[in-house]
Amino acid sequence: EIVLTQSPATLSLSPGERATLSCRAGQSVSSNLAWYQQKPGQAPRLLIYDASNRATGIPARFSGSGSGTDFTLTISSLEPEDFAVYYCQQRINWPLTFGGGTKVEIK
Amino acid sequence: EVHLLESGGGLVQPGGSLRLSCAASGFTFSSYAMSWVRQAPGKGLEWVSAISGSDSSTYYADSVKGRFTISRDNSKNTLNLQMNSLRDEDTALYYCAKGASTSSWYEGHWGQGTLVTVSS
Repeated sequence: EIVLTQSPATLSLSPGERATLSCRAGQSVSSNLAWYQQKPGQAPRLLIYDASNRATGIPARFSGSGSGTDFTLTISSLEPEDFAVYYCQQRINWPLTFGGGTKVEIK
Repeated sequence: EVHLLESGGGLVQPGGSLRLSCAASGFTFSSYAMSWVRQAPGKGLEWVSAISGSDSSTYYADSVKGRFTISRDNSKNTLNLQMNSLRDEDTALYYCAKGASTSSWYEGHWGQGTLVTVSS
């Protein structure tokens, strides 16, 4: 199975700052990667699919980039509601797999 | 509006069985792939199983293969997960999820989950 490694595990930032989250795949997944956001007590929400496409209703401050094995989720200017856990997921091979997550917390 | 409502969770002893269901509404159920994703208490997301909308092809995580069976009833807009030979490590909140589009395996919509606790 394809292992996805997310870093850092925790990111401590202030509102208004830029957040850069990384997801590295154990083998190439081309552009078949998604990003999800999960807030405490809530189900996850799809943010980005196919590495760089924003899902419906996702604000423009969220952007995704990368291909092959290295991917980045960028939040250009953190809003209070963006403090959450973020997961990447690959869909190129079965079984589908998620990364371990990055928690973005308020500094 | 898409709505996914999971049911069937509960407390079960190791080695026991449980059947989860997910009632779907607000979209053409038969056109979308559906998945189960779980989350152990305080842990990250783990993809469990998926089924296509077209031909009901099924896929499983290695950790559940041979023990869990995913199925769907397109006439009742229902997704199921039959879980046998349950283990302590199957304890988790189980989410039902819908494909982001008719050709997508990404999880575009999620239910609120049903809790499965495996313990003696």
